[in-house]
Amino acid sequence: DTGVSQNPRHKITKRGQNVTFRCDPISEHNRLYWYRQTLGQGPEFLTYFQNEAQLEKSRLLSDRFSAERPKGSFSTLEIQRTEQGDSAMYLCASSSNTGVGYNEQFFGPGTRLTVL
Amino acid sequence: GQNIDQPTEMTATEGAIVQINCTYQTSGFNGLFWYQQHAGEAPTFLSYNVLDGLEEKGRFSSFLSRSKGYSYLLLKELQMKDSASYLCAVAHTGGFKTIFGAGTRLFVKA
Repeated sequence: DTGVSQNPRHKITKRGQNVTFRCDPISEHNRLYWYRQTLGQGPEFLTYFQNEAQLEKSRLLSDRFSAERPKGSFSTLEIQRTEQGDSAMYLCASSSNTGVGYNEQFFGPGTRLTVL
Repeated sequence: GQNIDQPTEMTATEGAIVQINCTYQTSGFNGLFWYQQHAGEAPTFLSYNVLDGLEEKGRFSSFLSRSKGYSYLLLKELQMKDSASYLCAVAHTGGFKTIFGAGTRLFVKA
C-alpha cells in the first residue's frame, strides 16, 4: 500500500491553456474523489467515482472541468481554458466501501495549480 | 441547502484540553468526519461518527448528536504538533459526497 499519489505536484500554466492531472488511488479502493482547496478553506467537493462510474458531480463545476476513471483505477481531471480563478490545490482521495474503516478517505498530496 | 459551521481559529496551551465544535445543516446525512490538516499537507483522517454518542481514540474523541446537527472534536493532553487545521465534514447518503467546513485553525502555545 503506497497510498494515494498525484501527478504533477505542481503546475504553472498560462490563462487559456488546458491542464490535466492524474490520481492513482490505493489499489483496492473503489471510490475516488476530487476536491479543490484554496487557502484558508476546506476542500470543496468536485466529483466522485465508484469504480469507473462518475456518480456525482458538483454543480459548481463548470463545463471546463471533466474527470475520467476509465478502468476503475487511476483518474484524470482536466481543466480546459484555464482561468486565474482556477488556481488552487487539487486533491484526490480514495476509499473503500467494505471492511474496517470503510468510509475513511485517504488523501493524496495534491496538485498545486497556478494560472498566470 | 447545506451548511457547516466551525470556529475559524482557537488557541490553547500545551497539555490542556480543547473542544472544537461543528454544527451542520444538510440533507441526506450519512455520517460526520473529522480530519486534521497541517499547513501545506493533505488532510488526514481522525474520526467518523454515524451514530449519536462519543467515540474515543487515544487523545482524540469525537461526539455526534444527529438531532441537534452538532459534533465536537476533543483533544486532550495537547502537544505542539497538534497545531493544525481541523476539518469537520459531512457525508451524504447515496454516494458519499462529502462536504467540508472551512476548518478551525488550532494554535498550541507553550
